[in-house]
Amino acid sequence: AQSVTQLGSHVSVSEGALVLLRCNYSSSVPPYLFWYVQYPNQGLQLLLKYTSAATLVKGINGFEAEFKKSETSFHLTKPSAHMSDAAEYFCAVSFYNQGGKLIFGQGTELSVKP
Amino acid sequence: DVKVTQSSRYLVKRTGEKVFLECVQDMDHENMFWYRQDPGLGLRLIYFSYDVKMKEKGDIPEGYSVSREKKERFSLILESASTNQTSMYLCASSQTSLNEKLFFGSGTQLSVL
Repeated sequence: AQSVTQLGSHVSVSEGALVLLRCNYSSSVPPYLFWYVQYPNQGLQLLLKYTSAATLVKGINGFEAEFKKSETSFHLTKPSAHMSDAAEYFCAVSFYNQGGKLIFGQGTELSVKP
Repeated sequence: DVKVTQSSRYLVKRTGEKVFLECVQDMDHENMFWYRQDPGLGLRLIYFSYDVKMKEKGDIPEGYSVSREKKERFSLILESASTNQTSMYLCASSQTSLNEKLFFGSGTQLSVL
């Protein structure tokens, strides 16, 4: 079955530290991969997406993610955390044979300590 | 900017009531989706629609129905609300391409008492 798993429901980092949020997918067909962010009391907004072009994808607010087929992973990173990065982050995947539906991971809440 | 508007931010209903959640998008998008968001479970797809008067079941359609009479409006209906339908409901829309991003509304927090 096709699925996506985010490791760690809560991640806490200090301001200025590296942010690493993990995402793994399970699929027998090539995926399209997305990271979304949800700030408090808001809907989700797209951070970045992978659609079979470059494996290293740069997104908004200094985030980037690398697609690693051999590891079935799409981890999200940011070199230096900012207080404004505190939010919930969702990894999502879609497949050409599923009509464009997005399957979301469980979400990871990122806290940033001063 | 694309705008996806959900009619209510907070809603409180009683068990057994019929509940309508409304969603309107202003960018002529073909696709519209309803998700529910629960802590620890992420977002789960309830129903989606690729065109007017067309609907497809998602992963958790039981207890819900939808209506899409106009392209810009997609309604989620709880025929007889139950306490286990207390949740955050998110509407989203997208263009026709497979890898197009979803645009989300701000959500409706529904409490069923």
